[in-house]
Amino acid sequence: GAGVSQSPRYKVAKRGQDVALRCDPISGHVSLFWYQQALGQGPEFLTYFQNEAQLDKSGLPSDRFFAERPEGSVSTLKIQRTQQEDSAVYLCASSPHRTQQETQYFGPGTRLLVL
Amino acid sequence: GQQVMQIPQYQHVQEGEDFTTYCNSSTTLSNIQWYKQRPGGHPVFLIQLVKSGEVKKQKRLTFQFGEAKKNSSLHITATQTTDVGTYFCAGFGGFNKFYFGSGTKLNVKP
Repeated sequence: GAGVSQSPRYKVAKRGQDVALRCDPISGHVSLFWYQQALGQGPEFLTYFQNEAQLDKSGLPSDRFFAERPEGSVSTLKIQRTQQEDSAVYLCASSPHRTQQETQYFGPGTRLLVL
Repeated sequence: GQQVMQIPQYQHVQEGEDFTTYCNSSTTLSNIQWYKQRPGGHPVFLIQLVKSGEVKKQKRLTFQFGEAKKNSSLHITATQTTDVGTYFCAGFGGFNKFYFGSGTKLNVKP
């Protein structure tokens, strides 16, 4: 079956531009996660949705970062007024479970480069 | 910052040698998961450990969860070139957060 998909796969933005990153989770998966992975580092948690409810957004680094999942399936991570330190791979993961503690299935990621 | 540390950061081995990566948390974890990320790829789930002292095996891979549930290890016996990648541990710990370790990058020379 289809796994988690993300688009675009690569994004180059000029500093100050807004970007929107899309995640299509595995059909029927309740939980959805966003992570930021800097080069050579492990993924760092950004936010977590259970269906359409954003239960944890404590990892979002600033108020320039905003995530939504209005219908409990597709999710969008938006970054406003991008800065060079936002350059990273943004990973989306989904899970059929209702807790954050279970197996997560990762998408291929969106590699964001801010110039 | 991350509260889950992994050592070593890099490991280069000859094909057929064994490999071990260690994961240490500053707080007790309710579970530990291991993921493998190939170069240019995304993390792929390998296994989850939940019980104190738990040991699980997957073919040449052996995973352990410490008695205090603050550390874990992944051991690969007789590495193969297909084992190349970065191995991450991840655990659910303090403040109800899911933390990934810094990863151990494994290179296997044929």
